[in-house]
Amino acid sequence: EAQVTQNPRYLITVTGKKLTVTCSQNMNHEYMSWYRQDPGLGLRQIYYSMNVEVTDKGDVPEGYKVSRKEKRNFPLILESPSPNQTSLYFCASRPGGANVLTFGAGSRLTVL
Amino acid sequence: GQQVMQIPQYQHVQEGEDFTTYCNSSTTLSNIQWYKQRPGGHPVFLIQLVKSGEVKKQKRLTFQFGEAKKNSSLHITATQTTDVGTYFCAEGSNYQLIWGAGTKLIIKP
Repeated sequence: EAQVTQNPRYLITVTGKKLTVTCSQNMNHEYMSWYRQDPGLGLRQIYYSMNVEVTDKGDVPEGYKVSRKEKRNFPLILESPSPNQTSLYFCASRPGGANVLTFGAGSRLTVL
Repeated sequence: GQQVMQIPQYQHVQEGEDFTTYCNSSTTLSNIQWYKQRPGGHPVFLIQLVKSGEVKKQKRLTFQFGEAKKNSSLHITATQTTDVGTYFCAEGSNYQLIWGAGTKLIIKP
């Protein structure tokens, strides 16, 4: 089944403890992206990647890192999480020639 | 930068009533996409509109793209409980989508 898989789905952590949210897609999509969703603010883009080894900042990149070493994987790294990073995170992907996104199921992160 | 304004933020309807959400931009949109997010779920693509004045239908859902390509609407006829969720519009480019804030459809008990 064509899908975008995120892990973990739920995580409670403490301020300053580094964490990684993994994202993997099996559709051979060139483009991948991370969003955060907060009540009343809709979806805000954190980082995106047009292809392997090509990443760029979205609208809210502060406090996050990404890497794209392989086409299928696009992990989101929080080096030193803070409570304002408590949010629902979505990974999404699409083919290079299209702009319709396929989303993962989401990862709900709570930073205490 | 480019912004897509979506209204209303919430809409409460009785089951069987109609629902409409609107997206507006001060600049011309290259295209408009619509997504639905069920409670506890993730956004799922519904449709993309590209042409000026375009109208597309999916069963009880009607999507319109304005003649000037500055606005779009999603209309649901005779809402059902399965329609509950948040509807987002977004304008797509090569690099990113510009998202509206979403309209939450709530069915009154």
